[in-house]
Amino acid sequence: EAGVTQFPSHSVIEKGQTVTLRCDPISGHDNLYWYRRVMGKEIKFLLHFVKESKQDESGMPNNRFLAERTGGTYSTLKVQPAELEDSGVYFCASSQVWGPRGETQYFGPGTRLLVL
Amino acid sequence: SQQGEEDPQALSIQEGENATMNCSYKTSINNLQWYRQNSGRGLVHLILIRSNEREKHSGRLRVTLDTSKKSSSLLITASRAADTASYFCATDTSGGGADGLTFGKGTHLIIQP
Repeated sequence: EAGVTQFPSHSVIEKGQTVTLRCDPISGHDNLYWYRRVMGKEIKFLLHFVKESKQDESGMPNNRFLAERTGGTYSTLKVQPAELEDSGVYFCASSQVWGPRGETQYFGPGTRLLVL
Repeated sequence: SQQGEEDPQALSIQEGENATMNCSYKTSINNLQWYRQNSGRGLVHLILIRSNEREKHSGRLRVTLDTSKKSSSLLITASRAADTASYFCATDTSGGGADGLTFGKGTHLIIQP
């Protein structure tokens, strides 16, 4: 069974440009999460999809970030326009169920974003 | 301080020794998960322990959870060079998984051959 995949693995862009990150969860996983780790900081939750619906986007830093999950399969995270402080590693995770006691989240390899 | 703080920040031991890492958190949790990250790679899930569990084992890994002290420990027995990595604890505090996991900054473990 394939794990969570993310594309691209690395991205280098200039300030003001747009970047779109993609995540493909494990097949059959309804729950998809985005996280970010900026240099020297801990990994931070950004948002959570249940199928195509945004369940919780309280961690999204500002309105320059837009996440979508059309059809409830893969998800994209767009940063427009990118700023220097957006540099970091963006992780995607998925889990099979969504219950009151939580479930294991399986992480992808991450996308390393560098904004110059 | 953050929910989910690992201690120590860095640990260097000889191959074959046991490694113990600790994690403290502040709020009530549903479960606590430990992850490993090798340099430049993704997060690998190691073990999940629920709030009503006190100890779990998986191979050379042993995780304990003390909800009264709001702390957890990860023990790796008979360490190997391949165990060199960063280890993170992550807490799930939501009722339905809505809030995602809260991570600490991690413990960087180095196994000396």
